[in-house]
Amino acid sequence: GAVVSQHPSWVICKSGTSVKIECRSLDFQATTMFWYRQFPKQSLMLMATSNEGSKATYEQGVEKDKFLINHASLTLSTLTVTSAHPEDSSFYICSARTHTSTDTQYFGPGTRLTVL
Amino acid sequence: DAKTTQPNSMESNEEEPVHLPCNHSTISGTDYIHWYRQLPSQGPEYVIHGLTSNVNNRMASLAIAEDRKSSTLILHRATLRDAAVYYCILRAQGGSNYKLTFGKGTLLTVNP
Repeated sequence: GAVVSQHPSWVICKSGTSVKIECRSLDFQATTMFWYRQFPKQSLMLMATSNEGSKATYEQGVEKDKFLINHASLTLSTLTVTSAHPEDSSFYICSARTHTSTDTQYFGPGTRLTVL
Repeated sequence: DAKTTQPNSMESNEEEPVHLPCNHSTISGTDYIHWYRQLPSQGPEYVIHGLTSNVNNRMASLAIAEDRKSSTLILHRATLRDAAVYYCILRAQGGSNYKLTFGKGTLLTVNP
C-alpha cells in the first residue's frame, strides 16, 4: 500500500511555543491530505482538509489561526500548532488520499505532542 | 454522514476466525463501506472496502448483507498482531466529500 510518513514522531515543547509537524506521501502524489487529532482513549477527530495549492478547510470548532496548515506540494502538508498549551497535547495524525480506483486514505504513523 | 454501529469490544483466540459486525441501517445507495484498523499508538491502517458484493483481500474479507444495512469484517485466522480497534466507516463515493468520520470502533482482543 501507499506510504505516508510524519515527522517528528514525538515532540515535547514548552507552553507558548509553536510546533510544526510534517506529513509526506512517499510514493504517490496527494492532492488532498487530512489532519486528525486523537485524545487518549478517544476516536480520531478530523481537524481540517488540506488541498494542494489552496487554503485548508477547517472543521467546526477548530481554530484556523491556531492550527496553521500548509499544503505547498503534492507530497507535503504541514501542521503548525501555534502558541501551544497543555490542552493541545494530543496524538496528531495525517492521511493522504489516493486517486486510484480504490480512492482510499492512507494514514501516517502519528505525532505525539506533549506541551509542558 | 450515515452512522454505523459497532460493538465496543470483542475477544478472540489466536488462530481462530473473527467476525466483526457493523450495522448501518441508514446507508444510502452511493455509500461505500470502509474498514480501517488502528493498532496501539499508530495511525489507522486501511483494511478493506466494498459497495454491494463481498470482497476479499490479503488482510480480510468483507461480507455485505443483501439489503446493505449491515456488514461483517472477517479475519480468517486471528493473530496477536490483529489486536486493534476496528472502524467501520461509510463514505459516499464521488462528489467532493472525501472525509472519513470515525466512530468509536470495536476493540478486538486476541488471546494467545
